[in-house]
Amino acid sequence: LAKTTQPISMDSYEGQEVNITCSHNNIATNDYITWYQQFPSQGPRFIIQGYKTKVTNEVASLFIPADRKSSTLSLPRVSLSDTAVYYCLVAPPSAGNMLTFGGGTRLMVKP
Amino acid sequence: EAQVTQNPRYLITVTGKKLTVTCSQNMNHEYMSWYRQDPGLGLRQIYYSMNVEVTDKGDVPEGYKVSRKEKRNFPLILESPSPNQTSLYFCASSRHSDGYNEQFFGPGTRLTVL
Repeated sequence: LAKTTQPISMDSYEGQEVNITCSHNNIATNDYITWYQQFPSQGPRFIIQGYKTKVTNEVASLFIPADRKSSTLSLPRVSLSDTAVYYCLVAPPSAGNMLTFGGGTRLMVKP
Repeated sequence: EAQVTQNPRYLITVTGKKLTVTCSQNMNHEYMSWYRQDPGLGLRQIYYSMNVEVTDKGDVPEGYKVSRKEKRNFPLILESPSPNQTSLYFCASSRHSDGYNEQFFGPGTRLTVL
């Protein structure tokens, strides 16, 4: 399973764009990259998923370079409510795999 | 409403007293798993189940048991709890057992073992 590395914490201000990078140097050919968001005392929730290039939804964008050894979650114009822990998860679409979350990045958005 | 439920949400117990944390999902998901979350350690998978009667160990299975007799339920059993099992526990489910499918998490169970 691909190991992931993320910054432990980041600070930002309301209205700014935030980019959180996840490193996964030993990603396998068929691995997908998924990001989850977790608020205090709640379970994580799915934000976005991708395989290569760029994916965008109503919440975020995910940028994946050609070598796929890293990925960047981009949150446009963050607000105080985006303060949370963000997890990068790399796993293959094949049955029987244990899923491993990394340590996550604690994002603090300040007014 | 599609959801994963856990009970109890909060539990304080004493060392050695057997306990069960229940988990149930109403989405007909094949895959269910249990995680524990401790400060500074992120989410660590305890056990997972790919379908009824199919379970396997995750990263930190010691001291825990699970069973999957029905598709919707996946209880976590602590036969003899110890203080180092004090943690926040999450149950999760997904349609299939792979990294492609979105995992749906329960609200969490905060367990304190004295």
